[in-house]
Amino acid sequence: KQEVTQIPAALSVPEGENLVLNCSFTDSAIYNLQWFRQDPGKGLTSLLLIQSSQREQTSGRLNASLDKSSGRSTLYIAASQPGDSATYLCAVSYQTGANNLFFGTGTRLTVIP
Amino acid sequence: EAQVTQNPRYLITVTGKKLTVTCSQNMNHEYMSWYRQDPGLGLRQIYYSMNVEVTDKGDVPEGYKVSRKEKRNFPLILESPSPNQTSLYFCASSSFVGQGSNQPQHFGDGTRLSIL
Repeated sequence: KQEVTQIPAALSVPEGENLVLNCSFTDSAIYNLQWFRQDPGKGLTSLLLIQSSQREQTSGRLNASLDKSSGRSTLYIAASQPGDSATYLCAVSYQTGANNLFFGTGTRLTVIP
Repeated sequence: EAQVTQNPRYLITVTGKKLTVTCSQNMNHEYMSWYRQDPGLGLRQIYYSMNVEVTDKGDVPEGYKVSRKEKRNFPLILESPSPNQTSLYFCASSSFVGQGSNQPQHFGDGTRLSIL
C-alpha cells in the first residue's frame, strides 16, 4: 500500500523566515507529485506539480524538489509571509492508477507577523 | 472562470436518509474523482471516473455510489448514510491522457456532511 508521510504536522515560524516542508512516500514508482495548499473552509489549490522525470519546479517564492530514489520531496518557501499560513499537502500519483492521488496528512503552517 | 462546484456546502442529516452531493466542472475534463478528508487520515479516494459511463472504486468506496452520465457532472450518492460517513468531501477534476496525467487536479470547495 502506498503511504505518504508529512513531517512536521505543524510548524510556526516568524515572518520573513525561509522554511522547508517535507514529504516522503514508500513506493518510488510515482508518475508525479503535487503540492497543494488548503485554507480553512476552502478546497485544495494546486501549487506545484513535479513529473517523475523532473528534479524540481519553481513558482515565485516556492520551490519543490523531488528525489524518487529516496522517496522524498521538499517544498521550500522563501521569505515567508502571514498570507502563507495554511495547511500544505503533498500527493503522489502512481503509474498503475489513472490520475488517482494518494495524500499525506499535511503540515499546518503558521507564519507569525 | 474555471471551477469545480459542489453542492451543498454543508448538510446535517439523519441516518438512513438518502442524499446526493452534486459536483460539476466547466473545464471539459475527462477525469473526475471524489475524496473524503478525515482528521489524522488525510484525503482518501472514494470513486473516480475516467470518462462518461466509466467509473471505478478508490480506496474507500463502501457505502457510496457514483454516476457519470454527462462529462461535466459526477454526483456522489449515499443511499443509506451512517454516522461513520460524517466527513469533509471533495470533488476534483483534471484532463487525462493515457495511463496517467501530468495535469494538476482542480478541487471544489468541499462539502461538510454530518450524519446524526
